[in-house]
Amino acid sequence: AQSVTQLDSQVPVFEEAPVELRCNYSSSVSVYLFWYVQYPNQGLQLLLKYLSGSTLVKGINGFEAEFNKSQTSFHLRKPSVHISDTAEYFCAVSDPSGGYQKVTFGTGTKLQVIP
Amino acid sequence: NAGVTQTPKFRILKIGQSMTLQCTQDMNHNYMYWYRQDPGMGLKLIYYSVGAGITDKGEVPNGYNVSRSTTEDFPLRLELAAPSQTSVYFCASSYQGAGSGNTIYFGEGSWLTVV
Repeated sequence: AQSVTQLDSQVPVFEEAPVELRCNYSSSVSVYLFWYVQYPNQGLQLLLKYLSGSTLVKGINGFEAEFNKSQTSFHLRKPSVHISDTAEYFCAVSDPSGGYQKVTFGTGTKLQVIP
Repeated sequence: NAGVTQTPKFRILKIGQSMTLQCTQDMNHNYMYWYRQDPGMGLKLIYYSVGAGITDKGEVPNGYNVSRSTTEDFPLRLELAAPSQTSVYFCASSYQGAGSGNTIYFGEGSWLTVV
């Protein structure tokens, strides 16, 4: 069975500072990995995803994530955050062989950007 | 392009009442989903559908029912509301199965309180 662990429930960071949001997954097979962002009072939207190929994935709004198979991690990074990045970020994993419904979401990390 | 639209946005129910959360998408997606989001718990799949006339249970289906008579619409019915159903509900859709790496598109959420 697949699972996702987001180690930090909240991450405060000063504006223009770098940030890393951590995500580890557990799966016995090859996986697809996603980061979704949820702005206050909105639904989730895709930030980026890893399906195959280059392990460094670039997404919207200057975010990027690196797939590390040996460490089973998919950490999200941004070199300089803005106030508008304040949101909750969800890591998700899917098992291509597990059927269409097999997407497991982490518990989320709230990024608070401090002016 | 409206995407995924769900109504109502807010609702207060009394214990034992029933209600239907409406969801429609205009992207001609085959797959539709209902998730619930509880604080610190991430998203849990309630029901999903792979096409008109086909629905199946997710992780937490008890107390809910769905139907999919058209490609566009996927209403969620709450029968005999209980306080444990207080949550934020998200309708979502994807062109093909989310487990195959397809992006999930979410509605803006419905906040439901059962008192």
